[in-house]
Order: sequence, then C-alpha cells, then structure tokens
Amino acid sequence: GEKVEQHESTLSVREGDSAVINCTYTDTASSYFPWYKQEAGKSLHFVIDIRSNVDRKQSQRLIVLLDKKAKRFSLHITATQPEDSAIYFCAARYQGGRALIFGTGTTVSVSP
Amino acid sequence: DPKIIQKPKYLVAVTGSEKILICEQYLGHNAMYWYRQSAKKPLEFMFSYSYQKLMDNQTASSRFQPQSSKKNHLDLQITALKPDDSATYFCASSHWGGRDAETLYFGSGTRLTV
Repeated sequence: GEKVEQHESTLSVREGDSAVINCTYTDTASSYFPWYKQEAGKSLHFVIDIRSNVDRKQSQRLIVLLDKKAKRFSLHITATQPEDSAIYFCAARYQGGRALIFGTGTTVSVSP
Repeated sequence: DPKIIQKPKYLVAVTGSEKILICEQYLGHNAMYWYRQSAKKPLEFMFSYSYQKLMDNQTASSRFQPQSSKKNHLDLQITALKPDDSATYFCASSHWGGRDAETLYFGSGTRLTV
C-alpha cells in the first residue's frame, strides 16, 4: 500500500520568512496530494492540494510543488505569520482507494 | 455549528471493556471514515464507508467494528479494549465520486484513554 514519509518533524521560522515541508510517497499511481493543518488541541482542516496533472499550485501564501519523477511534493508557506504555527500533514490518495494516507506531521513554529 | 459531531469528546475505559464512539455528519456526504491519532502512529487510516458499505479496511484487529445505521452515521465499536488502543479517534467525511471526493472534513475527535 501507499506510504507517505514526511521529512521534517519540526520547523522553526521567524515571522516573515518561508517554511518548506517535504514529503515523499511510494505508489507511482498516486494522483492526489492534499495538505492539512492541525492547530493545537483542534481537529484537522484542509489547506491546499495538488493533482498529478500539474506540478505547481498556489493559494495565497501557500505553494505546493509536485515532482512525480522523484515522487516528492512540498508545501511552501511564504511570509509566515504567527497564526501559521500548527502541525501540517501531507497526504496521498492511492489510485485504487479513496482513503488518504497521511505523513507523520511537521510542527511549524513561527516566532516574532 | 460543527458539521461533524463526535461523541463523547473524552472517554476513559478499563482494559477489557467495550466502548462505542459516535459520529454523525451533516454535510450531505456519502462517504465516511475513521482515523486514529496516537503518539506511536500519527493519523492512521482505519476504515472507509460509502453509502453505508465498507470500502477500505486497514485495521488488522476485528476488535474494531464500524457500524452504520444511517447514511450520515458511522459509529466505531471497540471491544476488549487494551491500553494500546489509547488514542484520539477522528471521524471524517467526503463526497464519494468526482473531483470533490478527495477533500476530507474531520470531526473534533474522541480522546480515548484505556
């Protein structure tokens, strides 16, 4: 089955700088890669996604890049703000199923 | 108003007992899921249901049984509880089919302590 590895377990950045989180996946047939955010003590909510027919997607300060050859995708949070502090999870949906398989999460801390 | 309701928010159980975790969604979705989050295995997929039918099952133990009495309900029955079952259990839902099928909406979770 699909496995998703999230490379950074923690990330500390200064407000205004960029944060980059990298993930790799194993199933070449995977076609959908979303990112979710979990704030302290709260549930997860969707932030951005990318599909395998594109290699870049941007939504305001969030940019997702996909490298299908390397089976790698990344989340770039630009001009970070304190409210970006949270745990970010990458995920992949494998071709044969509907469930999302999640990475282990990256705790992002944005300091003033 | 929360659109996915999980009950209870916190649950304490003794080893060997049985508990049921409740999940109801009011998003009009036809697919529902259970995920488990613990320190050992963050955000682990357990089950997916579509139109009240089991679609995917990644949980090895038969002690975990999903129950869907209505299209917008997916409860999780756990029997013979063990300390290792301690985790936060998240219910999620989505549309099934089409490009919108992928986006999952999560409930607030039930934190189970055994």
